[in-house]
Amino acid sequence: QVQLQESGPGVVKPSETLSLTCTVSGGSISSYSWSWIRQPPGKGLEWIGYISHSGSTSYNPSLKSRVIISVDTSKNQFSLKMSSVTAADTAVYYCARVATYCGGDCCDYWGQGTLVTVSS
Amino acid sequence: DIQMTQSPSTLSASIGDRVTITCRASQSAGSWLAWYQQKPGRAPKLLIYKASSLESGVPSRFSGSGSGTEFTLTISSLQPDDFATYYCQQYNSYSTFGQGTKVEIK
Repeated sequence: QVQLQESGPGVVKPSETLSLTCTVSGGSISSYSWSWIRQPPGKGLEWIGYISHSGSTSYNPSLKSRVIISVDTSKNQFSLKMSSVTAADTAVYYCARVATYCGGDCCDYWGQGTLVTVSS
Repeated sequence: DIQMTQSPSTLSASIGDRVTITCRASQSAGSWLAWYQQKPGRAPKLLIYKASSLESGVPSRFSGSGSGTEFTLTISSLQPDDFATYYCQQYNSYSTFGQGTKVEIK
């Protein structure tokens, strides 16, 4: 059974860089594409971006200038870095696996989510 | 960007009711649309992909239809476990989610 677990600081200061890691267990990270999605408290879901099994990336145009998604196959992990954060970036951040049968970026396995608060 | 608009935002229904949620896209999403169910404090769960394909393990009372700019999620007979918030997601051009539809007990 595939499991995903997000990890990283729960609090980030304004203007600094948010860094999160997703550790994948129960399967190889190399065979799939992987996504990050976030959800501000009490609000809806926002797609951040994904990294394909070949290493290509696609980002939400509204976040593209601040986001980098990367993968470390040796550790079976992928990561999210978001620079110049503000209070508007406070959210639960989810990592997820892109389903191979969707034809695109829909996700069949998700992490439990981690709350990141931007505050000084 | 493709904007997704769900209606209604909130829906009150009873056990056994047939429930329909609509998702409209600002431009064509083809058939590249998914539906998710989310319960409080939990990650979303994939229900439907490619507009009408049922995810493995999801009860057959859930169904999806539509293409282009108008899509629907139907629950044929609402069960206690179905009270949750539902989101549509287009993945034709980048990816965007609808704002969600909360299904409440009437």
